Amino acid sequence: AQSVAQPEDQVNVAEGNPLTVKCTYSVSGNPYLFWYVQYPNRGLQFLLKYITGDNLVKGSYGFEAEFNKSQTSFHLKKPSALVSDSALYFCAVRVLTGGGNKLTFGTGTQLKVEL
Amino acid sequence: DAGVIQSPRHEVTEMGQEVTLRCKPISGHDYLFWYRQTMMRGLELLIYFNNNVPIDDSGMPEDRFSAKMPNASFSTLKIQPSEPRDSAVYFCASSLGQGRGETQYFGPGTRLLVL
Repeated sequence: AQSVAQPEDQVNVAEGNPLTVKCTYSVSGNPYLFWYVQYPNRGLQFLLKYITGDNLVKGSYGFEAEFNKSQTSFHLKKPSALVSDSALYFCAVRVLTGGGNKLTFGTGTQLKVEL
Repeated sequence: DAGVIQSPRHEVTEMGQEVTLRCKPISGHDYLFWYRQTMMRGLELLIYFNNNVPIDDSGMPEDRFSAKMPNASFSTLKIQPSEPRDSAVYFCASSLGQGRGETQYFGPGTRLLVL
């Protein structure tokens, strides 16, 4: 089975400090990994994705993620957190089903950035 | 582009009533997905379509749930009869193509409360 795990339900960080939201994956074959963000009462917004190539992927709003094959991880990072980054973050992996196009999402990590 | 459009944004109904949720995907996208989000179960894929044809409905919880896509610009998710445990946020998403790197774009969701 292909899956992602987000080991932390919540991450707290002070504004201006670096942040990391963790994600590990389990897939057979090459992983296709995504990060989404969900603000209160909103839909999920795409942040970034890893398909192939450079292990450091840059995305929207200053976020980046590092793909680490040996550790099967795809952690989301930002050098300097903002209060406005407070939201629910989801990691997702592409699941191949007969050539289909399904995403399996993690359980989400609530990020809280405080002044 | 207006993005994925969902209606209604909020729905309150009584147990036993029929509920119809609507979705307009991004123009030109050939994949459409219906998800359900609850605190207990997180984000679950219910069903997805490719070129208006249902591909995988293994996530549809019961026969009370049905989904249709009569044309490329419109899909419905129907619950009949509704039950209180159906209360959740229902998201529609769409994507272009079936390559592994294609991004799914989410609508704002319909918040359903069944009393």
